This record gives sequence, structure tokens and C-alpha cells, in this order.
Amino acid sequence: EPEVTQTPSHQVTQMGQEVILRCVPISNHLYFYWYRQILGQKVEFLVSFYNNEISEKSEIFDDQFSVERPDGSNFTLKIRSTKLEDSAMYFCASSERRGATNYGYTFGSGTRLTVV
Amino acid sequence: AQKVTQAQTEISVVEKEDVTLDCVYETRDTTYYLFWYKQPPSGELVFLIRRNSFDEQNEISGRYSWNFQKSTSSFNFTITASQVVDSAVYFCALSEPNTGGFKTIFGAGTRLFVKA
Repeated sequence: EPEVTQTPSHQVTQMGQEVILRCVPISNHLYFYWYRQILGQKVEFLVSFYNNEISEKSEIFDDQFSVERPDGSNFTLKIRSTKLEDSAMYFCASSERRGATNYGYTFGSGTRLTVV
Repeated sequence: AQKVTQAQTEISVVEKEDVTLDCVYETRDTTYYLFWYKQPPSGELVFLIRRNSFDEQNEISGRYSWNFQKSTSSFNFTITASQVVDSAVYFCALSEPNTGGFKTIFGAGTRLFVKA
């Protein structure tokens, strides 16, 4: 079964540093997403990305966040000037086109970000 | 607006008991997808099932079964003869089309403890 791959699995960074979380979506998927889960809480939508641009973002996704698809396979989430409250598990996901009858929506295994 | 409610925060059962995890959703779309994910202590999201809104057939997979009822907007999950390895947080999720693809909204999760 195709997988969404996320690297690294765990990243520790100092407050104020920039981090880039990387994801390789499933190759024939067209929509890409980032979600966040603060420890012990629910999984929250951050942003969706389609056709090389952000299609929707939540109120969490403020100016310190950005996403990019730098090449044909990677999808990255950049957090500028990390804060302690950015510590969370970040999940990447990808999905097929809208209206697909056998709609595939797949999550990666997550990157645990710890800001110290 | 879309919403997923998992009213049970924690459930504790003894091994071999059956347990049902409740999920109630709200959506205005006629096309949507419902999911259940398992999150073990290691943190990844393990896909269990996907259901589209046009398929109300109940499904059984081994000890797992799902009851989808559009009339009550519920998508409940039953584990038969529970085992200690079933201990995890279980998330119900709703995905509906928007301009950006399919944003997924998660419920708050139900933490299941299965005691030996």
C-alpha cells in the first residue's frame, strides 16, 4: 500500500530557530495537507495545498508557517522562529482528486517536534 | 459547518469485553467521507476504515465493525472481544469537499483502556 513518508520522525529545536518538516506524499495524489496534534489533544487542520498554492488554511496557520512543494515529490512545512507552543506532532497527508469514488486520504506517521 | 463529536473521553474495559465507540457528525454536504483512526502510544495515525456518504452498508473486519447511520449522523465503531493491544486513542474524522480538496475534521478522540 502506498505511504506518505515524513522525515524526521522526531526533531528537537531551540526556541526561535527555524525548522523544516518534510513529507513525500503519495505520487498520484494532488492535494496535500498538514495537521498538528498538541500532546493529548485532537488532531487539527493547518493547511491544504493544491496546484502549487495554498487552498485553505486554519487560524493556526499564521505568518510563522509556510508550505512549499520545492520539487515534484517533496512537500514541506516551515516554521519560522519556533515557539514553545509549537511543540506537537505534525502530520502530513495527501489525497486524490475531488470526487474520486475510491477516495484515498493517507496520513504520514508524523514528525514529533519538541521546542526547548 | 462540519463537526465531529466523540462524547466518550475514556473507556475502560476488561479483556474479551465488547466495546462501542460513539461518533456523531455534522455536515451540510451530501458528499463526505468518514474515517476511524487508531493512535497507539507511539503516536502515528493508523487508518482503520473509510466510508463515503453514499454507502451505508455496515462493515466488519475481524473483531472490528462499523455501524453507519445517516438518519442519526452516527458512525459508531465496535470492537468485539477486546484485547490489551486495542488500548489506544481512537479518532473519528469527517472529510468533505471544499475548494481545496478534502479538509478532515477530527473528533476529540476516545481513549480506550483494555485491562488484562
